Amino acid sequence: AQKITQTQPGMFVQEKEAVTLDCTYDTSDQSYGLFWYKQPSSGEMIFLIYQGSYDEQNATEGRYSLNFQKARKSANLVISASQLGDSAMYFCAMREGYNTNAGKSTFGDGTTLTVKP
Amino acid sequence: DGGITQSPKYLFRKEGQNVTLSCEQNLNHDAMYWYRQDPGQGLRLIYYSQIVNDFQKGDIAEGYSVSREKKESFPLTVTSAQKNPTAFYLCASSIRESNYGYTFGSGTRLTVV
Repeated sequence: AQKITQTQPGMFVQEKEAVTLDCTYDTSDQSYGLFWYKQPSSGEMIFLIYQGSYDEQNATEGRYSLNFQKARKSANLVISASQLGDSAMYFCAMREGYNTNAGKSTFGDGTTLTVKP
Repeated sequence: DGGITQSPKYLFRKEGQNVTLSCEQNLNHDAMYWYRQDPGQGLRLIYYSQIVNDFQKGDIAEGYSVSREKKESFPLTVTSAQKNPTAFYLCASSIRESNYGYTFGSGTRLTVV
């Protein structure tokens, strides 16, 4: 069974600084995808970034980057130059399979990020 | 604009009632999903469907039912057998060959009164 662990219930960061949100995962599969989503107070989930298990380079999307350490089974999200609009809940998720959505996703419990002005 | 529409935004259910949550997408996505979110927690999978007329149980399917008669639609019925239905329900969709994440609807908040 797949399991996602996010150990930080809440995080604070000063505006314009970088912040790292932790995510560890557990799976016996060799092929999987790792995702990060943002959930603002409105409730809608927004996809941020993806990392495949066979991808050799860390994924980046604008101010978001994913620090993927396969041997340690960690997939931390790094947000650079934090903005007030980054305040939200962030979820790490894992999906079975590589480059396919044929499988289902498992989500962590989330980290609430608050950006201070 | 393409997207996923969930309705209603708020729903109140009396004890012993069945209620149906609507989810419609115009993204031409093959797969659709229903997740439940309880306060301060992550998402748990209820049901998912990869193609029309086929769906699979997720981790917490008991007390719920779905149908997938059209590609665009994946309604979720919360039956009276679901003893603790008060939660936030999110519908999502995706394309099959993808390194892209799900597209989510804006959710339905269900409360038992």
